Amino acid sequence: DAGVTQSPTHLIKTRGQQVTLRCSPKSGHDTVSWYQQALGQGPQFIFQYYEEEERQRGNFPDRFSGHQFPNYSSELNVNALLLGDSALYLCASSLGQGAGYEQYFGPGTRLTVT
Amino acid sequence: QKEVEQNSGPLSVPEGAIASLNCTYSDRGSQSFFWYRQYSGKSPELIMFIYSNGDKEDGRFTAQLNKASQYVSLLIRDSQPSDSATYLCAGAIYNQGGKLIFGQGTELSVKP
Repeated sequence: DAGVTQSPTHLIKTRGQQVTLRCSPKSGHDTVSWYQQALGQGPQFIFQYYEEEERQRGNFPDRFSGHQFPNYSSELNVNALLLGDSALYLCASSLGQGAGYEQYFGPGTRLTVT
Repeated sequence: QKEVEQNSGPLSVPEGAIASLNCTYSDRGSQSFFWYRQYSGKSPELIMFIYSNGDKEDGRFTAQLNKASQYVSLLIRDSQPSDSATYLCAGAIYNQGGKLIFGQGTELSVKP
């Protein structure tokens, strides 16, 4: 049973550039959520995708956007990168979008903005 | 006030002891709660979830929920050095779908 996968593992970008991160959900899961985790902090919710639509969004600017594909995989795009965007980006998948569904995390993408 | 709060620790317990990790939340609409374990440099791993008041046991782990006091805890019995990690408490609010709100995590150190 394949778990959640993310690519790439690490990424170094320059301020002002754009980045795309990718996520494949756990087998059988249809919902993908994205989180940002700064060093020493808990993950912060960015947004959630279900049925190819953004269903919930956290307090992140429009520079953060996403997409979900028919096979349930997802992308996170960040435009105009700032130094403060440096963090671990986590993708989590679940079977369903409700508050009661368990979310399983992928290994994450470590983004460094210089 | 943060929506989900945890003591950052570090919490240090001897091997074989019970480790008690605590979490409080401010939104009474919170419906379900999740405990994750995160080793340094790794992603969070789901340990347990709880929806109803009372205790829920799974092996060496017991989650406790008290909605009246807005309090969630995780007990780890017979703690092992391999349990040394950061433990994250997360809540999900009924009308906010799958948005998980995390505390800052509690660092646990189990000493041999």
